[in-house]
Amino acid sequence: EVQLVESGGDLVQPGGSLRLSCAASGFTFSAYWMNWVRQAPGKGLEWVANIKEDGSEKDYVDSVKGRFTISRDNAMNSLFLQMNSLRAEDTAVYYCGRGYSNSIESWGQGTLVTVSS
Amino acid sequence: QSVLTQPPSVSAAPGQRVTIWCSGSTSNIGDYSVSWYQQLPGTAPKLLIYDNNKRPSGIPDRISGSKSGTSATLGITGLQTGDEADYYCATWDGSLRTYFFGTGTQVTVL
Repeated sequence: EVQLVESGGDLVQPGGSLRLSCAASGFTFSAYWMNWVRQAPGKGLEWVANIKEDGSEKDYVDSVKGRFTISRDNAMNSLFLQMNSLRAEDTAVYYCGRGYSNSIESWGQGTLVTVSS
Repeated sequence: QSVLTQPPSVSAAPGQRVTIWCSGSTSNIGDYSVSWYQQLPGTAPKLLIYDNNKRPSGIPDRISGSKSGTSATLGITGLQTGDEADYYCATWDGSLRTYFFGTGTQVTVL
């Protein structure tokens, strides 16, 4: 059974940093693109970033470019999102998701990031 | 804001059919396959349709998807109270190098 478990969400002050993790199990992690998707309170889904199977390609939504970095450790079956220079508008539930054929086929339960002073 | 537009809400009686459209452009829906997601209140999204019209294992055949040109459609027949949720289309945009979700549609069972 595919399992994705996010962690690392917290309350952080504007300008601060946070690192999210996603632990994967039940599948060959190194064979899949992975994604981060977020959802601000009461709002729709917003894709944040993705990373190729071997980590050689990464893409980001414009609003996080230069501030967020996606990475992965295939030996540890883990996905990460390093978030720097956090802003109030980054407040959201962050989901990790396994990519497949231009879709996100499996999702974690999400972790809440709150940016507030 | 999203490059994919959906109606804010649709509704129908139990047992009836609803369709949700998703409008994009040549650089996204026109060039890439579309997926659809269901999000029940307080839960993570769930994939319903990928590659325009394919259903993952476990998704019933009363759920269907189609694509034509720069638009896509999700259909749900035999509507049930458990179908009350938010629905999102999604696809990659090759010009913007961004994966977009649609604006979302709330389905209400009357």
